[in-house]
Amino acid sequence: EDQVTQSPEALRLQEGESSSLNCSYTVSGLRGLFWYRQDPGKGPEFLFTLYSAGEEKEKERLKATLTKKESFLHITAPKPEDSATYLCAVQFLYGQNFVFGPGTRLSVLP
Amino acid sequence: DGGITQSPKYLFRKEGQNVTLSCEQNLNHDAMYWYRQDPGQGLRLIYYSQIVNDFQKGDIAEGYSVSREKKESFPLTVTSAQKNPTAFYLCASSFRTLDEQYFGPGTRLTVT
Repeated sequence: EDQVTQSPEALRLQEGESSSLNCSYTVSGLRGLFWYRQDPGKGPEFLFTLYSAGEEKEKERLKATLTKKESFLHITAPKPEDSATYLCAVQFLYGQNFVFGPGTRLSVLP
Repeated sequence: DGGITQSPKYLFRKEGQNVTLSCEQNLNHDAMYWYRQDPGQGLRLIYYSQIVNDFQKGDIAEGYSVSREKKESFPLTVTSAQKNPTAFYLCASSFRTLDEQYFGPGTRLTVT
């Protein structure tokens, strides 16, 4: 069964302390991997789509990378406003639907 | 402004009652989706629709029903057959089922 896991479950950083979040998947063929940000009580906000190993996308302090088995969301010099839950979703080659990971809850302390 | 709206934001119902959650989009997207989110779990797909008058069951469709009579609208009914209806419900849409999905603000349903 295709599965998506995320680690760590929760992460606390000091403002300015860079780190990475991981999204791993057991794959029967990857069509695309999607990163979302979700604030408490709100709907997820789309961040990035990655399609092939080696691909990278950047937006402000965030950079997403993709390998054959996992994706990383790198956060450089985070600020308190980056605090949120970050979700990844995988679209497998032989299906149309997204499989979401459980998310990583990020807290950035001032 | 283009976007996805869901109403109401909070909904309270007694056990045994059916309830309908609204989802409207003005993004001209063909595909629409309903997800359920529970604490500590990933989003789980309830139903999706690729085109008007067509919809498919997702992973957890039991106890739910949908309709897609208009491109802009995809209402979800939570029936009394759903054993654990209390959850945060999210509607999403995309140009096609292969594209990134955009989410509405969600409806928190509490059934007592």
